[in-house]
Amino acid sequence: GQQVMQIPQYQHVQEGEDFTTYCNSSTTLSNIQWYKQRPGGHPVFLIQLVKSGEVKKQKRLTFQFGEAKKNSSLHITATQTTDVGTYFCAGHVSGSRLTFGEGTQLTVNP
Amino acid sequence: DSGVTQTPKHLITATGQRVTLRCSPRSGDLSVYWYQQSLDQGLQFLIQYYNGEERAKGNILERFSAQQFPDLHSELNLSSLELGDSALYFCASSVGRGGGQNIQYFGAGTRLSVL
Repeated sequence: GQQVMQIPQYQHVQEGEDFTTYCNSSTTLSNIQWYKQRPGGHPVFLIQLVKSGEVKKQKRLTFQFGEAKKNSSLHITATQTTDVGTYFCAGHVSGSRLTFGEGTQLTVNP
Repeated sequence: DSGVTQTPKHLITATGQRVTLRCSPRSGDLSVYWYQQSLDQGLQFLIQYYNGEERAKGNILERFSAQQFPDLHSELNLSSLELGDSALYFCASSVGRGGGQNIQYFGAGTRLSVL
């Protein structure tokens, strides 16, 4: 079945440092979504990427979809304590359901 | 507030017991998904219903079952509970069948503790 791999599983950074999480699929994706789950909270939709090579920005967050539509990344510039949480990618293959990656748990030391 | 309502928020029970978790999707959403999240783990997809019909099945144990009612709310039944079933159970909903570009909206979850 479709698999979506996400690395790293954990990332600890100092406030102000950058952070990147990567998502890789074994099959070509129709689109990819990113979700954030704050500690003690529930996953919340952040963004969706559909086009090959697409790049979207949300303030300090930059999302990329690979040219082959098999990988994606989320980059946070100058992390803040409010960025703490687990970031999930979720890939969709045509005709199949959305598949979540294992998530990257980000901690930010002030 | 995502608009997805899950009850109860917390559930404490004993091994061997049976519990029912309830989910009301966002107004207008026809799909309901159930996920299990163990401590510091990812989201394990259990099952999806669309407009009352089972749409997709994941790693759901035979001891677990679910259904979606005509008013679109859903229930997840967990029976013969084991210690390892202790987890956070999320319900999510989306407008469509789950493919395409449907965004999933998650409820706050039900935390199940099996003692």
